[in-house]
Parts: sequence; C-alpha cells; structure tokens
Amino acid sequence: DAKTTQPPSMDCAEGRAANLPCNHSTISGNEYVYWYRQIHSQGPQYIIHGLKNNETNEMASLIITEDRKSSTLILPHATLRDTAVYYCIVRVRPDSSYKLIFGSGTRLLVRP
Amino acid sequence: GAGVSQSPSNKVTEKGKDVELRCDPISGHTALYWYRQSLGQGLEFLIYFQGNSAPDKSGLPSDRFSAERTGGSVSTLTIQRTQQEDSAVYLCASSLVQGRGSTEAFFGQGTRLTVV
Repeated sequence: DAKTTQPPSMDCAEGRAANLPCNHSTISGNEYVYWYRQIHSQGPQYIIHGLKNNETNEMASLIITEDRKSSTLILPHATLRDTAVYYCIVRVRPDSSYKLIFGSGTRLLVRP
Repeated sequence: GAGVSQSPSNKVTEKGKDVELRCDPISGHTALYWYRQSLGQGLEFLIYFQGNSAPDKSGLPSDRFSAERTGGSVSTLTIQRTQQEDSAVYLCASSLVQGRGSTEAFFGQGTRLTVV
C-alpha cells in the first residue's frame, strides 16, 4: 500500500472548520483513500473513504485532488469532541489482504 | 452486541506468563484484524483473518505471538512467555467482505495488557 504523509499536529477553534491534509503522492490508480480517527482511550473509528470523487457524509467531507496525490479531510464545524488523532490510509479496494496499515496520523486539538 | 467486543478490558500479568486475549467480531463479518498500540504510539498491524483463507501473520513480532479464529467468528490472540515490552493496548477489528469489496473496519475498545 502507498505511504501517506500527515502533519503531526494541528489545532483549530471550536465551531470552525478543521482541514486535515494528507499527502499520498505514490498512490496507485486502484487505491482508495480512507480516514479513521482515534479519540483518546478508544478504538479507531471509520470516518470516510473515496477513490477520486469528493465524498461527504454526516461526519466529514473528503476532497481529493485531481491528480489524487493529496487529499483533505474537512470537519465543517469542529467540536471539542473532535479532538483526536486522525489517520489517513491508502489501500487497494478490493484487495486480497484488505489489511489497514496505520501511519502516525495528525493529532487534532480543538480549542474552546 | 452490535459492536466488536474484546475481553478482558484490562489484564495485568507477570513476566513469563502466557495470556489469552479474546475478540468477538460483529456477527457476519468475515474479516478480523488484530493490532497493538503501545503508549503514545500508532497502531501496529499484527494479523489478519479472512474467511477460510490462510491468515496474514506478517505483523506478528515474534513466535511468542499466535492467533486463531474458530468457526470463522471468535478469535483468540495468545502471547506466550510475556515480556514487559508486550505491554500495550491490543485492538481487534472486523469488517464485512462482499465479493471483491469490503466495508470499513469496526474496532473494539481494546484490551490493555500490562506485564509486570
């Protein structure tokens, strides 16, 4: 699976949009971009995934650049409960192994 | 229950003892994963089961670690002769594999293992 690069930490004010970048410059044509987050002392939680089109769900939006070498996870109105480590992962879907390989992620701090 | 269940939630063991950690995946999920997370670190992949296929054991750190999945459901991760460096949170996840696709992985709350 392609490697990803994320900033180690970010912060934003409560109520504002949080934009978390991810670089995946070696992504292959059949690899998807997945985002998970891990709130302190909990297991990781799936947020969203996409291939090349922008995606939106009740939690977040995912913007993937046209060349697919980078993406941005957007939390439109961050709350204190969004403070977590956010992981960007690329993997083949479908894939014979399906395993998720986590990097070091971005630690997002939402300030009151 | 509706989610992935792991037991025990906490385990303290003496160095050199064997431990077994249990994972009950979401009913019907054919894929099961084990990860571990040391304090302040990221998630380290350990092993992956998918249906009747041979498990992907590429992440197991040593031969003291083993895992099995009985009947395609419950999984047990066994650590023999535990060492202090085995102290970590052990996380289990499951997902549904349909045809050539899969759903997202759902994680349990983990087992915190402390080796003293």
